[in-house]
Amino acid sequence: NAGVTQTPKFQVLKTGQSMTLQCAQDMNHEYMSWYRQDPGMGLRLIHYSVGAGITDQGEVPNGYNVSRSTTEDFPLRLLSAAPSQTSVYFCASSPGRLAGDSNEQFFGPGTRLTVL
Amino acid sequence: KQEVTQIPAALSVPEGENLVLNCSFTDSAIYNLQWFRQDPGKGLTSLLLIQSSQREQTSGRLNASLDKSSGRSTLYIAASQPGDSATYLCAVRGSSASKIIFGSGTRLSIRP
Repeated sequence: NAGVTQTPKFQVLKTGQSMTLQCAQDMNHEYMSWYRQDPGMGLRLIHYSVGAGITDQGEVPNGYNVSRSTTEDFPLRLLSAAPSQTSVYFCASSPGRLAGDSNEQFFGPGTRLTVL
Repeated sequence: KQEVTQIPAALSVPEGENLVLNCSFTDSAIYNLQWFRQDPGKGLTSLLLIQSSQREQTSGRLNASLDKSSGRSTLYIAASQPGDSATYLCAVRGSSASKIIFGSGTRLSIRP
């Protein structure tokens, strides 16, 4: 299994540009999430999904869109990039409801995004 | 709203010492708590997961405890080594099971 994969690893955007960060998992996990990590602030939840076709907002959703058309993929879209979105973005997945309280989360390697 | 706090933000100890990292959370209705390690510029590696029904988990030199009633978890590292230097994050999965909230981490440095 490849686990959780993210592309690209690095990206530089200009203010106002749009782009999509890709995330895929091959573990048939039900739950997927996007986080951003800024210095000294830990990881903050952007959006999450509990299954194909179902998404919800996390702590910091503004400026980001998501969709979950398949179990495997959970792309994160920046519609109009702003310098405040400069951060490291992590995608994660976990098995879901059937795992009960042993629902362990697995992370991708991250995407480092700079918005000029 | 669940809030997760990790104190101290940074810790430096000499090699060989036993140490404790702390994680506190405000809502005791949790599904589980997970400890992660993050090396500089890298992703997160899962260390231990404690289920809501458990009080502790062990893996090698690591032992994590959970006290839901007081909203606390500790990560105990025995006989610390320079290779243990990293940032340690705790993450709480709330009672809805779908949302996870992270602490801001403890940056650990082990001096040879």
